[in-house]
Amino acid sequence: EAGVAQSPRYKIIEKRQSVAFWCNPISGHATLYWYQQILGQGPKLLIQFQNNGVVDDSQLPKDRFSAERLKGVDSTLKIQPAKLEDSAVYLCASSPQQVPTYEQYFGPGTRLTVT
Amino acid sequence: GQQVMQIPQYQHVQEGEDFTTYCNSSTTLSNIQWYKQRPGGHPVFLIQLVKSGEVKKQKRLTFQFGEAKKNSSLHITATQTTDVGTYFCAGNSGTYKYIFGTGTRLKVLA
Repeated sequence: EAGVAQSPRYKIIEKRQSVAFWCNPISGHATLYWYQQILGQGPKLLIQFQNNGVVDDSQLPKDRFSAERLKGVDSTLKIQPAKLEDSAVYLCASSPQQVPTYEQYFGPGTRLTVT
Repeated sequence: GQQVMQIPQYQHVQEGEDFTTYCNSSTTLSNIQWYKQRPGGHPVFLIQLVKSGEVKKQKRLTFQFGEAKKNSSLHITATQTTDVGTYFCAGNSGTYKYIFGTGTRLKVLA
C-alpha cells in the first residue's frame, strides 16, 4: 500500500513569511497527526484529527499555526507569520483508528528553514 | 504535563557490542510504543507494549515494559551497522495522544 505522502520535502523562507505543508495519509486511515521535530529532539504533537474533526490541538501555537483536514482525507498545516524558531521538520502521520493502540505511519516530512 | 525522558542521549558502540536505551515516564502509561528513525529519515514503528512486565523480542531486539508501567527499555544484542539511528519511545497515558521521548542516538563503529 502507498505510504503517507507529504509535500514539499524542503522549504526555505524568510521570517514573517507564510508557508503551507500538505499531507495525504494512507487510504482509509481515520486519524491524522502533525508533529514538529526540532533537530535533536523527539517529535512533538501539534494537532490530531479524527476524520475531519480535531481531537487535540493543545500544543498548536494558534496565533500563527493553523491546520485543516479536508473531507477527512488530506490535510494542510499553515504557518503565518513564520519565526526563526519554527525551523524544524514537520512530520505527518496517520493511523487506522483513534483508539491509541495502533501504530503511527509517518511520512517523509517537510524540512522547514526560516532565515 | 506528562514527560517522557530517555537515557542515554547518545551511545557509541563497537559493532558486535550490546546496546540498551531506557525510557522513563512521569506518569503511569496505558501502553508504550518504540520507533526507530534512521539519519535523515522518519520514525518507523518497531513494537507496542501494553501489559505490566511485558517482554517482547524481535530477532536481536528485546523490549520490556516495567511492572509499574512507568518505564521501558530496548536492548539490542550484538549490534550491527544497520542498527544506526535514533530510538524513540512514545508513551500513552490513556488519552488519545502519544508523548515521544527525547530519543537515544546510536552510532555503531565497524
